[in-house]
Amino acid sequence: DVKVTQSSRYLVKRTGEKVFLECVQDMDHENMFWYRQDPGLGLRLIYFSYDVKMKEKGDIPEGYSVSREKKERFSLILESASTNQTSMYLCASSRRPRVYEQYFGPGTRLTVT
Amino acid sequence: KQEVTQIPAALSVPEGENLVLNCSFTDSAIYNLQWFRQDPGKGLTSLLLIQSSQREQTSGRLNASLDKSSGRSTLYIAASQPGDSATYLCAVRSPGGYQKVTFGTGTKLQVIP
Repeated sequence: DVKVTQSSRYLVKRTGEKVFLECVQDMDHENMFWYRQDPGLGLRLIYFSYDVKMKEKGDIPEGYSVSREKKERFSLILESASTNQTSMYLCASSRRPRVYEQYFGPGTRLTVT
Repeated sequence: KQEVTQIPAALSVPEGENLVLNCSFTDSAIYNLQWFRQDPGKGLTSLLLIQSSQREQTSGRLNASLDKSSGRSTLYIAASQPGDSATYLCAVRSPGGYQKVTFGTGTKLQVIP
């Protein structure tokens, strides 16, 4: 059974803080994704990674960076959190040739005050 | 730019009713369309995937259809149950990079016992 876990379910940070969101998958998937989900906007891709140390920008990468030092772990970094980054963040993973079969984590609801 | 719309945003039905959820997309050049379920505070679970060459897919009480030419998909749920209460999202995979998936904003379904 594929399992994608995220380090926190709820997180409250202050404006200007550096924030790390961690995602771990246990199925040896090559691809990993970070999305944010906002009411009325759906899920939007922030970054994805198709291999260790490889990354590509999604639709809304501004204000975010990522790190993938190990295959099972994909980190999303908010260098200087802002209130407009308050959102639900979802991590997903998939095998390389079957990118559409994404398995999602439970999400992290981040509030920036 | 692909846009995916789901109407209505919310739906409330009595238990046992058959219902249809709608998904429309603006660009018919798609690889596939996928329906997900999202329970409150949780990630997404894949329900059905329809390839662009297919017209429908079935799984248990769920049936998804695809009409590429008109840019529409429907998710039919037969004999609805309270356990079906969740938000249902559709997602379209389009050309432009294998990671190019556009999500709809979802329909929140409540099945009343």
